[in-house]
Amino acid sequence: SQQGEEDPQALSIQEGENATMNCSYKTSINNLQWYRQNSGRGLVHLILIRSNEREKHSGRLRVTLDTSKKSSSLLITASRAADTASYFCATAPSNTGKLIFGQGTTLQVKP
Amino acid sequence: ETGVTQSPTHLIKTRGQQVTLRCSSQSGHNTVSWYQQALGQGPQFIFQYYREEENGRGNFPPRFSGLQFPNYSSELNVNALELDDSALYLCASSLSPGTRVAKNIQYFGAGTRLSVL
Repeated sequence: SQQGEEDPQALSIQEGENATMNCSYKTSINNLQWYRQNSGRGLVHLILIRSNEREKHSGRLRVTLDTSKKSSSLLITASRAADTASYFCATAPSNTGKLIFGQGTTLQVKP
Repeated sequence: ETGVTQSPTHLIKTRGQQVTLRCSSQSGHNTVSWYQQALGQGPQFIFQYYREEENGRGNFPPRFSGLQFPNYSSELNVNALELDDSALYLCASSLSPGTRVAKNIQYFGAGTRLSVL
């Protein structure tokens, strides 16, 4: 079963706008990760945030984590058409590397 | 592009048949995890292999089995295929499970799309 829910399920924006995706999860975690998937291909790791961190940045990506609410958000700033993809949050309940994925948000960035 | 390769890329089988999917892990990685991704869903964890031993299993029946070889490549075998087994099967390699969080990052192959008719 999936760990949690992602919101929204689909998002369509214009190039240059910001995109925000939210993820909620159910159990305690060691870390939370975001992955991107293009057209049903393999997933690409974007960013990892540890359970004791609240915010992390990587280039145009900003991730927040609220363990009290069991939720995370991914912000992509100044979006580009190449950002069009599905985005998944994945939680790691322990350090074993076993990931539990959400259902994903499909992002479309229109040129 | 990660260094993880999967074969074949596409496969069509009929119900009741058996299938073997293969994965070569990224250089330096000794852990391989397999995921099943149904259309429109997130990947679901099948099992993980670490140093040729199964190191955890998700909620999948025993007809899903695996192997890891001394070179850390891996196979996923599915017996008695059912229509619901149609999915994208993803292999991911990572560093050994341990206390370093960075070892949790997984590097995925492009997947094998299995269609069961």
